Amino acid sequence: EPEVTQTPSHQVTQMGQEVILRCVPISNHLYFYWYRQILGQKVEFLVSFYNNEISEKSEIFDDQFSVERPDGSNFTLKIRSTKLEDSAMYFCARAQGNSPLHFGNGTRLTVT
Amino acid sequence: QQQVKQSPQSLIVQKGGIPIINCAYENTAFDYFPWYQQFPGKGPALLIAIRPDVSEKKEGRFTISFNKSAKQFSLHIMDSQPGDSATYFCAANPDPHAGKSTFGDGTTLTVKP
Repeated sequence: EPEVTQTPSHQVTQMGQEVILRCVPISNHLYFYWYRQILGQKVEFLVSFYNNEISEKSEIFDDQFSVERPDGSNFTLKIRSTKLEDSAMYFCARAQGNSPLHFGNGTRLTVT
Repeated sequence: QQQVKQSPQSLIVQKGGIPIINCAYENTAFDYFPWYQQFPGKGPALLIAIRPDVSEKKEGRFTISFNKSAKQFSLHIMDSQPGDSATYFCAANPDPHAGKSTFGDGTTLTVKP
């Protein structure tokens, strides 16, 4: 059973719409991450979030993306205006210090 | 410089065989090398990991061999089983951003019964 729960498991949206993907870590960890995996491709780092702030982001994480931890528990990834190429699996992960990542089961985002 | 190159892209072995997956990196700042196993519809799950000060690490049927001078590392699966059929990713983490992993392209392993 993953230590990170992601909702929804599958999200279908139309191009140009906003989507919010949610992640609920079970343990009270400080480090959170979003990764993306386009179908059949490698897992790619999007953003890291530490102590309620973005600590690092990749080139993929442009102005269309944002992350929040609005209530101190849920960790969200928002895509403001989705594009077809945003279709992918999005994984939330948590880590503690120099420890390995623990991934959730992902949200499959389909942009039509 | 941030890439991790993984090969082969796919691998088919018979049950009991020893599949070997290879990875190479360039960035000497990487100091932690995990391997992840991913089943369809699931997130990657940590399988085994190694630090560069160790040349080999074994956990059950899974062994990592690490060659620091060559900047290469590999995963060996002993006595492979059909249940090992999955996609395997090597990754590398720089210090201090331990959670920011650079992943290889993945290897799809099929173990035939």
